[in-house]
Amino acid sequence: DAKTTQPPSMDCAEGRAANLPCNHSTISGNEYVYWYRQIHSQGPQYIIHGLKNNETNEMASLIITEDRKSSTLILPHATLRDTAVYYCIVEVQGAQKLVFGQGTRLTINP
Amino acid sequence: DVKVTQSSRYLVKRTGEKVFLECVQDMDHENMFWYRQDPGLGLRLIYFSYDVKMKEKGDIPEGYSVSREKKERFSLILESASTNQTSMYLCASREIVRQYFGPGTRLTVL
Repeated sequence: DAKTTQPPSMDCAEGRAANLPCNHSTISGNEYVYWYRQIHSQGPQYIIHGLKNNETNEMASLIITEDRKSSTLILPHATLRDTAVYYCIVEVQGAQKLVFGQGTRLTINP
Repeated sequence: DVKVTQSSRYLVKRTGEKVFLECVQDMDHENMFWYRQDPGLGLRLIYFSYDVKMKEKGDIPEGYSVSREKKERFSLILESASTNQTSMYLCASREIVRQYFGPGTRLTVL
């Protein structure tokens, strides 16, 4: 079973920041927070991951609360191509499998 | 860039046929995975392999088998296809941090 809770859908205007929340209240000390996204008819794509510090890469930023029970993925300037299902996953690094929940369907509107 | 390729994007087979889905990765990864994705059920792990000729059952292995004769290639076999195996099949390979997914094969069993 997925260890995370995400809203089923969100909308965001093109050019604005998209903030996707994720709750993981039962996260263990050695578990990382991973974000993947799946654009329609494609395989999931890795976005970013983190343990307890905030992380940023060329695609997004990840903000993890101090108690690590929740996190937010931030797409700073959303484009239409960011329309996808976004999955928040909690697993130990190198886990044999990733458990995907239902994710958040993000729609970027022009 | 890591490449995970799957032999077909779309496949139509008849009930009872033997079906082979091929997956190839070019990054010398030890671990490879087969998932299926169905509406409302998310991604579910069928089988994975952590080395040549090694395999482990995932969450839903019934009706499937796999073959890993070479490190770069991981095959999913439907011994006798049934209509309830109509689905999107996704292959992935993994390094320590993240999984890389192929584009998927949409299989329809008539």
